[in-house]
Amino acid sequence: GDSVTQMEGPVTLSEEAFLTINCTYTATGYPSLFWYVQYPGEGLQLLLKATKADDKGSNKGFEATYRKETTSFHLEKGSVQVSDSAVYFCALIKVSGSRLTFGEGTQLTVNP
Amino acid sequence: DAGVTQSPTHLIKTRGQHVTLRCSPISGHKSVSWYQQVLGQGPQFIFQYYEKEERGRGNFPDRFSARQFPNYSSELNVNALLLGDSALYLCASSPNEGRYREETQYFGPGTRLLVL
Repeated sequence: GDSVTQMEGPVTLSEEAFLTINCTYTATGYPSLFWYVQYPGEGLQLLLKATKADDKGSNKGFEATYRKETTSFHLEKGSVQVSDSAVYFCALIKVSGSRLTFGEGTQLTVNP
Repeated sequence: DAGVTQSPTHLIKTRGQHVTLRCSPISGHKSVSWYQQVLGQGPQFIFQYYEKEERGRGNFPDRFSARQFPNYSSELNVNALLLGDSALYLCASSPNEGRYREETQYFGPGTRLLVL
């Protein structure tokens, strides 16, 4: 079946450090890929998405590129802020389906 | 415009009881999906409803059921609650059936259920 694997966390960084959170997927067909963020005590917010190979999703300084050859969608940010502290989820949805398949999530803590 | 709303925000039940969770989608959205998020894990798909019909079901027991109303709001029902049902229950809406590459699901804040 479909699955998403995220790098094990938690991740702790200092403010202004570079962030990478790895995400790889297994799916038949040609999924769309997403990064969602969950702040403490809240639901999920869409951070960015990409719908085809080599697409780059970007938002609020975060970027991720859909790499079909490596089945990856790694999240990056050049300079993190304390306010970026949250749990980040990588997810996929297949074009023939309507259910999101999520990874386990990666807890990010940014210290001042 | 208001986002996805869910009620109640928190709920405490005991084993064997029944619970009903409610969700109102973004105005104009016709599809509602339900997810269960156990502490420390990613959300797991439970149901999707579109135009009042069930369009998808995840790997959950028959104790879980749902329905969608003519105004596109939805209810999730769980019977005979178990301790393992304790989780954050998330509702998401999308404009159409969600079978299109460009569609995005927008999530509500969730209902946190604790079963004692």
